[in-house]
Amino acid sequence: GENVEQHPSTLSVQEGDSAVIKCTYSDSASNYFPWYKQELGKRPQLIIDIRSNVGEKKDQRIAVTLNKTAKHFSLHITETQPEDSAVYFCAASTFTERFGAGTRLTVKP
Amino acid sequence: NAGVTQTPKFRVLKTGQSMTLLCAQDMNHEYMYWYRQDPGMGLRLIHYSVGEGTTAKGEVPDGYNVSRLKKQNFLLGLESAAPSQTSVYFCASRTGTRYEQYFGPGTRLTVT
Repeated sequence: GENVEQHPSTLSVQEGDSAVIKCTYSDSASNYFPWYKQELGKRPQLIIDIRSNVGEKKDQRIAVTLNKTAKHFSLHITETQPEDSAVYFCAASTFTERFGAGTRLTVKP
Repeated sequence: NAGVTQTPKFRVLKTGQSMTLLCAQDMNHEYMYWYRQDPGMGLRLIHYSVGEGTTAKGEVPDGYNVSRLKKQNFLLGLESAAPSQTSVYFCASRTGTRYEQYFGPGTRLTVT
């Protein structure tokens, strides 16, 4: 079955810096790659996603890149703000989603 | 629209007790999912359903049963709760044509 690895597990940046979170997946049939933000005690919130026929997608300060050959995808957050502090999860999906273990991002003011 | 709702929000069970978690969605979604989330881990799929009357096993189905008698509801049952089932349970749903999942607010279950 699918296996998704996510790195780093924790990430601390200064406000205004960029943050990058990386994931790898094992199932070459995976064709949908969402990223979720989860604040403490809340439900996961989809922040950006990418399909396997696209290499990059951007939405304001957030971007995702996908390398199908290498089976890895990354989340890039630019100009980070304290409200970006949360746990971020990647997932890879064929029919069902397999989640990474999460990255706790802390943005220091 | 209420979206995806879950009942109850919190529950404490003793080992061996049974309970049912209810997930309801008002978006006419075909697919529904039950996940569990343990500290320091991502969500893991327990069971899912692709339509009324259908269910299938996910990554961690042992100790759980599900039913989807109505399209809008997806029930998760624990027949004999164990401390290892202490977790936060999330339900999600989506249409059959789009990948985006909509999550419920979660149920925090503690088994003592």
